[in-house]
Amino acid sequence: EIVLTQSPGTLSLSPGERATLSCRATQSVSSSYLAWYQQKPGQAPRLLISGASTRATGIPDRFSGSGSGTDFTLTISRLEPEDFAVYYCQHYGSALYTFGQGTKLEIK
Amino acid sequence: QVHLVQSGAEMKKPGASVKVSCKASGYTFRRDTITWVRQAPGQGLEWMGWVGTYNGHTNYAQKVQGRVTMTTDTVTSTVYMELRSLRSDDTAVYFCARQRLDLYYAMDVWGQGTTVTVSS
Repeated sequence: EIVLTQSPGTLSLSPGERATLSCRATQSVSSSYLAWYQQKPGQAPRLLISGASTRATGIPDRFSGSGSGTDFTLTISRLEPEDFAVYYCQHYGSALYTFGQGTKLEIK
Repeated sequence: QVHLVQSGAEMKKPGASVKVSCKASGYTFRRDTITWVRQAPGQGLEWMGWVGTYNGHTNYAQKVQGRVTMTTDTVTSTVYMELRSLRSDDTAVYFCARQRLDLYYAMDVWGQGTTVTVSS
């Protein structure tokens, strides 16, 4: 079973700064089946990125995804106040889903 | 507009069962599989399983296999998730979500969540 490990656990940055979030898989995965979600307190997760790098409908272009094999990255180019939230990576394979444990992006 | 609307909060005793509903609207219901994800208080997301709305096929996570049943009603465009033999560690917010084949099975629309509390 594939395990996804996200780092860091918590990232403290200021609005306007660049955020880089990592997701590492225990074995090589198809980038097609790697997605990223944002979750704010009391809300359902929101799809940001599918296929490792394709932004979902309505997602601002300051969000970008990259990576392949075992290492994937979500980058937020210039943080806006509304971007402070928890981010999860997710993989789909063999008809089942795996989530990373999440990275909390907090205001410094 | 696409919506998934879930049933309300539940409070159950250990050993009981809970059945949560997820009603879809705004798209062709039988096109997309529905998946269930739960989140314990202060914890991350945990996938529970999915149900094919076209044929009723299911696939469950090993952790809940044997205690969970996911079903679909194509007449009302509603999916149900029943969890039996509830334990305190089943206390969580339960989400349904639509998985999209054309997005490589990413989940693009989510329900608002249903809080299930298991306590004696």
